[in-house]
Amino acid sequence: QVQLQQSGPRLVKPSQTLSLTCAISGDSVSSNSAIWNWIRQSPSRGLEWLGRTYYKSKWFLDYAPSLDSRISINPDTSKNQLSLQLNSVTPEDTAVYYCARVAAGVGAFGVWGQGTMVTVSS
Amino acid sequence: DIVMTQSPDSLTVSLGERATITCKSSQSVLYSSNNKNYLAWYQQKRGQPPKLLIYWASTRESGVPDRFSGSGSGTDFTLTISSLQAEDVAVYYCQQYYSPPLTFGGGTKVEIK
Repeated sequence: QVQLQQSGPRLVKPSQTLSLTCAISGDSVSSNSAIWNWIRQSPSRGLEWLGRTYYKSKWFLDYAPSLDSRISINPDTSKNQLSLQLNSVTPEDTAVYYCARVAAGVGAFGVWGQGTMVTVSS
Repeated sequence: DIVMTQSPDSLTVSLGERATITCKSSQSVLYSSNNKNYLAWYQQKRGQPPKLLIYWASTRESGVPDRFSGSGSGTDFTLTISSLQAEDVAVYYCQQYYSPPLTFGGGTKVEIK
């Protein structure tokens, strides 16, 4: 059974970098049959997909165009985890952040992390 | 970006009655090469992450009760709860995974009358 356990700071100051980690159990971040995603949810923006990474002979990355200049998603094969970094945050980046897995043959987000409420405030 | 529009925003239904939620995409999410609609439905209860109910527009996720069903093709989709139960009170979202950026509908809140 695949489980995703998120960790990271819940309070980030404006202009700083938001960093979250998603530890994966029951699957491998470098699996050829999974795609690893970050999604956030806020009252103003609803559910917003941030980006994804997956491995198919090489690593692939896709980011939401609205965040492309500020976001970085990195797989860590040694720790079997996924990380998210969002630079130059503003209060608009306040949200619940989720990691989520897509399994081959399903296409949709079948497994979610527990969510991390991140507040951007001085 | 593909815009997903859900209606209604909220729905109040009596226990045991049918609940119907619609979702429209701004462009087709039907992939002609495999004839699959890249459309999913999720249920989100307060304080929890979304839970996958339906994928490929009509395939029920393992363990999801059969009172939940999905239908539609191209740009118009429906989630039906055939006989509403108390535990179905939640917000429901549609989502397209046809092309990045992956996008969600605004959600439909389902309550008991």
